[in-house]
Amino acid sequence: GAVVSQHPSRVICKSGTSVKIECRSLDFQATTMFWYRQFPKQSLMLMATSNEGSKATYEQGVEKDKFLINHASLTLSTLTVTSAHPEDSSFYICSALDRGDEKLFFGSGTQLSVL
Amino acid sequence: GNSVTQMEGPVTLSEEAFLTINCTYTATGYPSLFWYVQYPGEGLQLLLKATKADDKGSNKGFEATYRKETTSFHLEKGSVQVSDSAVYFCALTAGGTSYGKLTFGQGTILTVHP
Repeated sequence: GAVVSQHPSRVICKSGTSVKIECRSLDFQATTMFWYRQFPKQSLMLMATSNEGSKATYEQGVEKDKFLINHASLTLSTLTVTSAHPEDSSFYICSALDRGDEKLFFGSGTQLSVL
Repeated sequence: GNSVTQMEGPVTLSEEAFLTINCTYTATGYPSLFWYVQYPGEGLQLLLKATKADDKGSNKGFEATYRKETTSFHLEKGSVQVSDSAVYFCALTAGGTSYGKLTFGQGTILTVHP
């Protein structure tokens, strides 16, 4: 079946640095991908919708200048956490929509720890 | 807006016990409903889904029926196993251009003891 690859699975960085997370659809074209954030023992909150070839749509309260999303191809979306701070430490997970089958596939997530 | 309310956990059961995790929702229109499972250290996996009223989703012994009259999508399993220990999320997505934007419940931690 379709697979979504998310990389890296875990990253530790210093405060003030930027971190890029990649989300790839491996065997289907995903014109739309989604980025979620999950705090420990809490639910997933949608951060933004990533649309191939156009600007991402951010949910209310999400800083677009801090969480940069790029969806430059039909199989790749990236989330860059800029000038990371400890409060950005979280589990980030992407999903990709296969519109042909109306199926959603999730990446395995990225645990970000900002020191 | 859309929202999903899940039974609070954690839930602890003995192997072979009956499982119910309640889920109710509010949404405009006719959403599709999902149950996702997250095993320790892993991402989300789709467990089952239902796309219209009275549909029953089923997988791996788990079942859930889309009840429009009670706006519910309760998850059930007749006999749980230790391997079912995980976090379970109820979720919905609206149709049309919003399809794929999931609204999640808060998650229910299930622990099954031998």
